[in-house]
Amino acid sequence: AQSVTQLDSQVPVFEEAPVELRCNYSSSVSVYLFWYVQYPNQGLQLLLKYLSGSTLVKGINGFEAEFNKSQTSFHLRKPSVHISDTAEYFCAVSASNQGGKLIFGQGTELSVKP
Amino acid sequence: GAGVSQSPSNKVTEKGKDVELRCDPISGHTALYWYRQSLGQGLEFLIYFQGNSAPDKSGLPSDRFSAERTGGSVSTLTIQRTQQEDSAVYLCASSLRLAGGFNEQFFGPGTRLTVL
Repeated sequence: AQSVTQLDSQVPVFEEAPVELRCNYSSSVSVYLFWYVQYPNQGLQLLLKYLSGSTLVKGINGFEAEFNKSQTSFHLRKPSVHISDTAEYFCAVSASNQGGKLIFGQGTELSVKP
Repeated sequence: GAGVSQSPSNKVTEKGKDVELRCDPISGHTALYWYRQSLGQGLEFLIYFQGNSAPDKSGLPSDRFSAERTGGSVSTLTIQRTQQEDSAVYLCASSLRLAGGFNEQFFGPGTRLTVL
């Protein structure tokens, strides 16, 4: 079975500051890794994904994440956040042999303040 | 093109009643997933349909929950004898399921279920 832990439930940050949202996972099989974003009163949107290859992946809106196999982590980063980045962020894994179903972390609420 | 649609957007029901939630996937998507988003449990996988294969029901929390997918397209999630702990946002997603590799899931806006 797979599990995902997002270490911070809430992250307040000032506009233009850097941010890192932490995600650790556990799995006995190889997995794909994802970050989804949910803006207030909107649906889930894929931010970025790691399938294979380069461990540094870039997504939409200037976000990037790095897959670290030895630490079983997939932390999300952005060098300079905007007010519009205020949203809930979900880390998720999908085992390569389980039809694509996603196992999500509990979510991290990013609040960007002026 | 049209995305995943769900209806109703909001549903309020009384404890003990049955409810049906509907999902219309993106045309041509062969895989369909149901998830539940609640305050206490976060985002949980419920059930997955892929073509004509038997569905993966491993995430359904109890036998009060069931789902079907007719004609490989529209899906209905049914909750019988609703309980207050069933209150949540129910999300549907669909994807292509081409052989090998990853296929992005596209999510609908969800149905917010409130059980009084």
